[in-house]
Amino acid sequence: GDSVTQMEGPVTLSEEAFLTINCTYTATGYPSLFWYVQYPGEGLQLLLKATKADDKGSNKGFEATYRKETTSFHLEKGSVQVSDSAVYFCALKPDSWGKLQFGAGTQVVVTP
Amino acid sequence: KAGVTQTPRYLIKTRGQQVTLSCSPISGHRSVSWYQQTPGQGLQFLFEYFSETQRNKGNFPGRFSGRQFSNSRSEMNVSTLELGDSALYLCASSSTGTGRLADTQYFGPGTRLTVL
Repeated sequence: GDSVTQMEGPVTLSEEAFLTINCTYTATGYPSLFWYVQYPGEGLQLLLKATKADDKGSNKGFEATYRKETTSFHLEKGSVQVSDSAVYFCALKPDSWGKLQFGAGTQVVVTP
Repeated sequence: KAGVTQTPRYLIKTRGQQVTLSCSPISGHRSVSWYQQTPGQGLQFLFEYFSETQRNKGNFPGRFSGRQFSNSRSEMNVSTLELGDSALYLCASSSTGTGRLADTQYFGPGTRLTVL
């Protein structure tokens, strides 16, 4: 079945450091891929999305490229801030009928 | 546009009781999905409703049920609560239109259920 694997956390960084969170997936067909972020005590916020191979999603300085050949969708940000401290979830949606499949989440802690 | 709203935000129940959670989707969104989030199992899909019909269901026991109303608002019900049902229950809505973000799911803040 479909699955998403993310790097384990917590990932601890200093402010202005470069962030990468690895995400790989297993799916049949051509799923849509997502990154969501969850701040403490809140629901999930959509960070970015990509729907086809080589598509790049970007938002708030975060980027991720849909790599079909490596079945990956790694999240990157060039210079993190303390406010980026949160849990990040990689997810895939295999078709248009709901059912997001999530990775386990990666906690990111950014220190001043 | 207002986002997805969920009520109540927090709930405490005892084993054996039942509970109903409510979700109001973003205006114009006709699909509502429910997820359970726990530290041990992560985010797990419960079910999805579209135009008052359940069109997808996750691997949860029959104690978990849901419905959708004609205005797209949705409720989920858990009967005979168990300690393991303690979780954050998240609702998400999506449109079925066109465009880059079509079918993207937007989440509410969740309902934190504690079963004692």
